[in-house]
Amino acid sequence: SELTQPPSVSVSPGQTARITCSGHPLPNHYAYWYQQKPGQAPVLVIYKDSERPSGIPERFSGSTSGTAVTLTITGVQPEDEADYYCHSTDSSDIWVFGGGTKLAVL
Amino acid sequence: EVQLVESGGGLVKPGDSLRLSCAASGFTFSSYTMNWVRQAPGKGLEWVASISTSSTYIYYADSLKGRFTVSRDNAKNSLYLQVTSLRAEDTAVYYCARFDQLITVALDYWGQGTLVTVSS
Repeated sequence: SELTQPPSVSVSPGQTARITCSGHPLPNHYAYWYQQKPGQAPVLVIYKDSERPSGIPERFSGSTSGTAVTLTITGVQPEDEADYYCHSTDSSDIWVFGGGTKLAVL
Repeated sequence: EVQLVESGGGLVKPGDSLRLSCAASGFTFSSYTMNWVRQAPGKGLEWVASISTSSTYIYYADSLKGRFTVSRDNAKNSLYLQVTSLRAEDTAVYYCARFDQLITVALDYWGQGTLVTVSS
């Protein structure tokens, strides 16, 4: 199974960025989002579709609709420029990542 | 503080074998399912394998079954990944990651990764 993301999204500082992820596991399984900056390990920013871990700014939010989930960053900051990956499972224990979306803050 | 430190990467030749290690600290290692995730240079994340707390349940990505073996030693707080018959396409940073089954149900902590380069 696959999770599909757009390769890139560009926004200006202060605008809202939306990154979508679609695939057949999503109606039946939670989605997770990870942020990865160059040379660093991924960081969990959204879990269970829309929950935010402690320490993650409120401008990060997640939503779901049918076979797609969306990561929304409201009021994008320059430090949000990174690669973002969605993650889910197509069974109880087999995991899959989306191809990643490069967020450019212009 | 939760820490995961991978080691064992380096430059290897096609056909070689390699064992990667991940040393865990700052949490009760034996209570967590652990995972390996890899990332080829300039590419996306690829989930490799997971192993349950007592090694009872082990799962691999379908595309990687056969050459990869995940194991753990709870007495040593360590996770391992054995890779055989290495190929150029196995060149990647290999991360270990903790699976939090209680709250996030996600990979909540990651190591910094160890780079494996397969080249003649």
